[in-house]
Amino acid sequence: DIQMTQSPSTLSASVGDRVTITCRASQGISSWLAWYQQKPGKAPKLLIYKASSLESGVPSRFSGSGSGTEFTLTITSLQPDDFATYYCQQYNTYPLTFGGGTKVEIK
Amino acid sequence: QVQLVQSGAEVKKPGASVKVSCKASGHTFTSYFMHWVRQAPGQGLEWMGIINPSGGSTSYAQKFQGRITMTRDTSTSTVYMELSSLRSEDTAVYYCAREHNAGSSAGWFDPWGQGTLVTVSS
Repeated sequence: DIQMTQSPSTLSASVGDRVTITCRASQGISSWLAWYQQKPGKAPKLLIYKASSLESGVPSRFSGSGSGTEFTLTITSLQPDDFATYYCQQYNTYPLTFGGGTKVEIK
Repeated sequence: QVQLVQSGAEVKKPGASVKVSCKASGHTFTSYFMHWVRQAPGQGLEWMGIINPSGGSTSYAQKFQGRITMTRDTSTSTVYMELSSLRSEDTAVYYCAREHNAGSSAGWFDPWGQGTLVTVSS
């Protein structure tokens, strides 16, 4: 199985900050990577697919980049609604696997 | 709009089985593969398996082989996930999630159901 490793596991930031989350795959997955946002008690929500494609309706302050084994999710100018946990997920190979999550907290 | 509505919370004893339903609306049921993902309390996301609502074919994560069964009812646009021989480690929120693109099993999801909490306790 492909292991997905996210860092950091927790991130403290302020409104207006630029935030970057990293996701590493244990083997190359081309650009077959998605990012999800999850708020407490809610289902995850798709933000990014194919590493850098923004899902319809997602604010443009979210962006994704990377290919192969290293990927990043960037939030420019963090908003109050963005405090949540973020997960990466590879879909290069079944079984599908997720990163452990990054919790973005208020500083 | 596309919506996935799951059945309510369950409490089960160790060794029992649970069957969770996920009713789809707002899209052509047989055109979109459906996944099941679970999340233990305070933990991350774990993919369990996929079902093709058109023909009913399934593929499961190795971890759940022999204990999991996914089925569908096209007359009610509902998919089901049954997990047997439950143990305390199966306590989790179980989500159904629709494959993003019709006719694809690429493996990225949107939307998700609201989740069903399954508690396994003696």
